[in-house]
Amino acid sequence: IVMTQSPATLSVSPGERATLSCRASQSVSSNLAWYQQKPGQAPRLLIYGASTRATGIPARFSGSGSGTEFTLTISSLQSEDFAVYYCHQYNNWPPLTFGGGTKVEIK
Amino acid sequence: EVQLVESGGGLVQPGRSLRLSCAASGFTFDDYAMHWVRQAPGRGLEWVSGISWHSDSIGYADAVKGRFTISRDNAKNSLFLQMNSLRAEDTALYYCAKGGSIVATNFDSWGQGTLVTVSP
Repeated sequence: IVMTQSPATLSVSPGERATLSCRASQSVSSNLAWYQQKPGQAPRLLIYGASTRATGIPARFSGSGSGTEFTLTISSLQSEDFAVYYCHQYNNWPPLTFGGGTKVEIK
Repeated sequence: EVQLVESGGGLVQPGRSLRLSCAASGFTFDDYAMHWVRQAPGRGLEWVSGISWHSDSIGYADAVKGRFTISRDNAKNSLFLQMNSLRAEDTALYYCAKGGSIVATNFDSWGQGTLVTVSP
């Protein structure tokens, strides 16, 4: 299953809303996760099951979608949210697959 | 607190072998599937291999199938990746990641990675 993320780069001002998209080449049901990765750090799980926030993740992060179309929304960007975000399908394996990532940068 | 600590990376010539290890703590290791995920310099995440808690379900990415072997030692809370016939394109930071009770799940904890560089 090929995961396609868009856009590749998203320029957003602090306090604004960011909407990131992830599309699967075939249905992955709700077996989709989102990760955040900052420079020099390991990825961190944000969302699993397409819409469930992981432990300790702020409510400004939300996930939606099922089947082939998914969205990660950051309602009001904070300085610490500028990072690269990856989607990941775990419906069919092997292999498990990641999207190419969306970099959220400061506008 | 979950801790995953990778080791074993380094500089290796093409065609040679390397064995990575991941020491796990802070959770009941033999209750969870485990995975290796890699990231080439400046690139995205790529799943490499996964293993179920009982080692009865194992999978590999096509890029490493036949060259890499994943294994685990539940008595020692350790995960391994034996990498043979290494290629330049295997150069990456290799992360150990904790899965769920089944092998096809998200990864809720990650190590800091160990760097593998394949170069003459």
